[in-house]
Amino acid sequence: GAVVSQHPSRVICKSGTSVKIECRSLDFQATTMFWYRQFPKQSLMLMATSNEGSKATYEQGVEKDKFLINHASLTLSTLTVTSAHPEDSSFYICSAFPGTSGGLQYFGPGTRLTVL
Amino acid sequence: QQQVKQSPQSLIVQKGGISIINCAYENTAFDYFPWYQQFPGKGPALLIAIRPDVSEKKEGRFTISFNKSAKQFSLHIMDSQPGDSATYFCAASMGNTGKLIFGQGTTLQVKP
Repeated sequence: GAVVSQHPSRVICKSGTSVKIECRSLDFQATTMFWYRQFPKQSLMLMATSNEGSKATYEQGVEKDKFLINHASLTLSTLTVTSAHPEDSSFYICSAFPGTSGGLQYFGPGTRLTVL
Repeated sequence: QQQVKQSPQSLIVQKGGISIINCAYENTAFDYFPWYQQFPGKGPALLIAIRPDVSEKKEGRFTISFNKSAKQFSLHIMDSQPGDSATYFCAASMGNTGKLIFGQGTTLQVKP
């Protein structure tokens, strides 16, 4: 089946630093990638939609200057959490949408971010 | 109109029993309804999905029942096993966008 990877799987950083998370579709091309955030015992909340070669579309309430998204190719999207603070600590998950099979999309394994 | 409401929040079932999780939606433009299973610290994994032109879909022990007129769909897990203990999310999307709206999640515990 289609595989989506995320790197790193876990990161701990100091408050004020920036962290980059990569999302790759390993065996297919993704016209769209989605970024989600999940707090403990809660559902996935969509942060932004990223299309290759264009600016990301952010959901209401998500700071675009804080969560920078780049979708440089059909297999790679990156999320950079800038000037991270403890409240940004969360589980970040990406999904890759081939756009060729209805709504079917594939999720990455997630990245656990802890900001000290 | 974009919400997907899921119930129950948590569920405890004996091994071998049937687990049933329900979801309801408002937006009739949704045309793709997947169910995901998530284990702690992992990303969600697709279990089974349905489109509104069918009323039921079965894959192994997992069945989706879909009621278009009531705008409801449910997941049935037959012969529930302890390994099924996880959090389950329903979702809905308009297929051409891929944008998923998730339900609140149900934590299932299957007791041996």
